[in-house]
Amino acid sequence: NAGVTQTPKFRVLKTGQSMTLLCAQDMNHEYMYWYRQDPGMGLRLIHYSVGEGTTAKGEVPDGYNVSRLKKQNFLLGLESAAPSQTSVYFCASSYWSGITNYGYTFGSGTRLTVV
Amino acid sequence: AQSVSQHNHHVILSEAASLELGCNYSYGGTVNLFWYVQYPGQHLQLLLKYFSGDPLVKGIKGFEAEFIKSKFSFNLRKPSVQWSDTAEYFCAVNLGSSYKLIFGSGTRLLVRP
Repeated sequence: NAGVTQTPKFRVLKTGQSMTLLCAQDMNHEYMYWYRQDPGMGLRLIHYSVGEGTTAKGEVPDGYNVSRLKKQNFLLGLESAAPSQTSVYFCASSYWSGITNYGYTFGSGTRLTVV
Repeated sequence: AQSVSQHNHHVILSEAASLELGCNYSYGGTVNLFWYVQYPGQHLQLLLKYFSGDPLVKGIKGFEAEFIKSKFSFNLRKPSVQWSDTAEYFCAVNLGSSYKLIFGSGTRLLVRP
């Protein structure tokens, strides 16, 4: 089925460890996003990309890096994990025509715990 | 700074009751508006969206929303809720030509049988 696939689904890290979350979409969308979801705070944008080879900072970029080497993939990296990065991470992709957005498709999420 | 406000953080209803969830945004220009639903343990699913035209938008599962430009609001409604509507609901806004989707903090709905 077409959509957004995130791996892994669950992960436990020790403080200071590094890891990469992978997001893949097969809808040929130009735009991809990484959000984190924390209780009572909705979803907050970490980084986003408007096309292959481009990335930009969102609301809460500190402690994260991203790369978009291929159009279909958007990687989120944590270089040195901290307990404050315990969260559920969602990837999304979207299609735009002019200034009209036709909706975002979300992945199923990655639950990350940093101990 | 642009923001999206959802006034009700927790709502508890009995089955067959009517639902209205508030959403307000702070931006004076062109917007794209969305409501998403997240069932327990699942990812976000699109309920409905507004880009232009008729300000009353109908979505899936009997939900609808009304865009009132003068009030900067996009409230979600359902005439008669079901137990299966228990979920968290998020309002989200694209501001102008920004590629970023800004979310409200969400409303947790519990529907009692």
